[in-house]
Amino acid sequence: GQSLEQPSEVTAVEGAIVQINCTYQTSGFYGLSWYQQHDGGAPTFLSYNALDGLEETGRFSSFLSRSDSYGYLLLQELQMKDSASYFCAVSAGTASKLTFGTGTRLQVTL
Amino acid sequence: DTGVSQDPRHKITKRGQNVTFRCDPISEHNRLYWYRQTLGQGPEFLTYFQNEAQLEKSRLLSDRFSAERPKGSFSTLEIQRTEQGDSAMYLCASSSSGTGGRTKNIQYFGAGTRLSVL
Repeated sequence: GQSLEQPSEVTAVEGAIVQINCTYQTSGFYGLSWYQQHDGGAPTFLSYNALDGLEETGRFSSFLSRSDSYGYLLLQELQMKDSASYFCAVSAGTASKLTFGTGTRLQVTL
Repeated sequence: DTGVSQDPRHKITKRGQNVTFRCDPISEHNRLYWYRQTLGQGPEFLTYFQNEAQLEKSRLLSDRFSAERPKGSFSTLEIQRTEQGDSAMYLCASSSSGTGGRTKNIQYFGAGTRLSVL
């Protein structure tokens, strides 16, 4: 089976940088995705890593180490609107379905 | 690109009734997925279509659940004889397998149908 671990809650100040870690156990690993979900909203794609290293998209970056089964999402210049739940998800095997972690609730404060 | 649409947004039903949800994926996407999400949890995979073929079903999907994608476009998810444990958000997502590479695993989600079984 597959399992993912990420912190349940993180609090940070507006303008700061926050890192959300994700460790996973899976066979046939294909890639690690990150999604953002506001309360009552749809999960929204943020970033995807299939290879080791850093992917940067604006204020968001994602890192993957396949040998360590570890990844993280880095959010810079935090804004109040970044307060949401963040999910890491692995795709494995057929590279179709996603298996999600339980999510990290980020609270951005003034 | 109008995004993934789901209908209805909310459904309240009595235990034992049947319900059906609809998902319209992004038009050029050939892959369609159904997930279920309960409060405080991540989405859980239910089933997956490539075009009209249902290629994978989760063990979570009991015999009371059935999904179709008859023409490879929209999909329906039906739950028969609903139970209180079926109360959840049902999410639909779509993606394209055609481009490969980095975009291959980006799934775009709809806003979901929230089901409440009384």
